[in-house]
Amino acid sequence: GAGVSQTPSNKVTEKGKYVELRCDPISGHTALYWYRQSLGQGPEFLIYFQGTGAADDSGLPNDRFFAVRPEGSVSTLKIQRTERGDSAVYLCASSPRAGQGTDTQYFGPGTRLTVL
Amino acid sequence: AQSVTQLDSHVSVSEGTPVLLRCNYSSSYSPSLFWYVQHPNKGLQLLLKYTSAATLVKGINGFEAEFKKSETSFHLTKPSAHMSDAAEYFCVVRIFPMDSSYKLIFGSGTRLLVRP
Repeated sequence: GAGVSQTPSNKVTEKGKYVELRCDPISGHTALYWYRQSLGQGPEFLIYFQGTGAADDSGLPNDRFFAVRPEGSVSTLKIQRTERGDSAVYLCASSPRAGQGTDTQYFGPGTRLTVL
Repeated sequence: AQSVTQLDSHVSVSEGTPVLLRCNYSSSYSPSLFWYVQHPNKGLQLLLKYTSAATLVKGINGFEAEFKKSETSFHLTKPSAHMSDAAEYFCVVRIFPMDSSYKLIFGSGTRLLVRP
């Protein structure tokens, strides 16, 4: 594909509901990242996938957040029992090779999550 | 701990005048440094990156940045601002090898306003 795509672009949900956010990385990219950008702040790291496995999930705020990448391509970020504080733009990024610090990370347009 | 500080939350310049966006980093190891730009309702786009090669880095759209280890700085400059440069700019650091996930650490951002 041309770039990283994310769906939906906007998601409005009620407190306590479950949501799934999807990321389609650039075809062939091995590394995939999730970040969260709260209003007026820079993005913050959530989780990193190297292929199918989560190599670093140190940024996930608590156990309500979970992400998968079962076939090493598409990834889904899952949030259980959503809270108003989860409202943010969730960004996905991919880069060509896992374990290469100089590779550029390419970002998707993000999913804006609003928890009412 | 590694971190990035963007010294100005807002910068306002007149069209055709120089742009200076300031960034300082903190790291005990050799960093990779990046500048990303975020236009309203658009994804993050890489402007330029420093990865221990030349200390003066040229990027897209006439931007450049200079890595100064003695000052732990990586300021972004452009000789002449265009209206289309109005956006949010993020200074970003990535630390390795101690951080093998290669996650990006973002500054809080600088909003650039360009006056006609």
